[in-house]
Amino acid sequence: QVHLQESGPGLVQPSQTLSLTCTISGGSISSGGYYWSWIRQRPGKGLEWIGYILHSGSTYYRPSLKSRLTMSAHTSKTQFSLNLSSVTAADTAFYFCARGGYYRQFDYWGQGTLVTVSS
Amino acid sequence: DIQMTQSPSTLSASVGDRVTITCRASQGVSTWLAWYQQKPGKAPNLLIYKASGLESGVPSRFSGSGSGTEFTLTISSLQPDDFATYYCQQYNSYPWTFGQGTKVEIK
Repeated sequence: QVHLQESGPGLVQPSQTLSLTCTISGGSISSGGYYWSWIRQRPGKGLEWIGYILHSGSTYYRPSLKSRLTMSAHTSKTQFSLNLSSVTAADTAFYFCARGGYYRQFDYWGQGTLVTVSS
Repeated sequence: DIQMTQSPSTLSASVGDRVTITCRASQGVSTWLAWYQQKPGKAPNLLIYKASGLESGVPSRFSGSGSGTEFTLTISSLQPDDFATYYCQQYNSYPWTFGQGTKVEIK
């Protein structure tokens, strides 16, 4: 059973960088064939896919966020990270990490973590 | 980006009712379509993948159908645990996109 857990600061100042880590238990990024993704949900709103990282280290970012976004996998292969720079209040959201499969999208999710952008 | 439009946005129903939620894509997505259930304060839960594939552990009262631009999620007999918000998501084209959600409320 795969379990995902997000961690990181709950409060980020405007113009700073939002950094989150997703820790995987019961699996690892090395088991190929999955899209290790970040998804966010502004409070009371819908879901927005941010991007993914593959076991090869290749990434795909949502075009509207691409200029501010970096994803990486840790050498342990049981963690991957999100860095979103130059944040504004519009980046305030619950951030989820999730595992996506080729056929079965987003079958495992973290519980989500609320990140508030405010001074 | 492919726009996913769900209808209705809110649905009031009673236990035992048959419920149908529609999801329309602004461009064809073949059958690369998933459905999720989300309860307040929780992460979404995968119900249906590839338009009609029932995720393991999901009750058989849930079913999905459709292809191209029009899809439906059907709950054959609504149970108390089913009152939640439901989202469709296309994974045919980047960026992957979600519908705005359909909230199923108690009538």
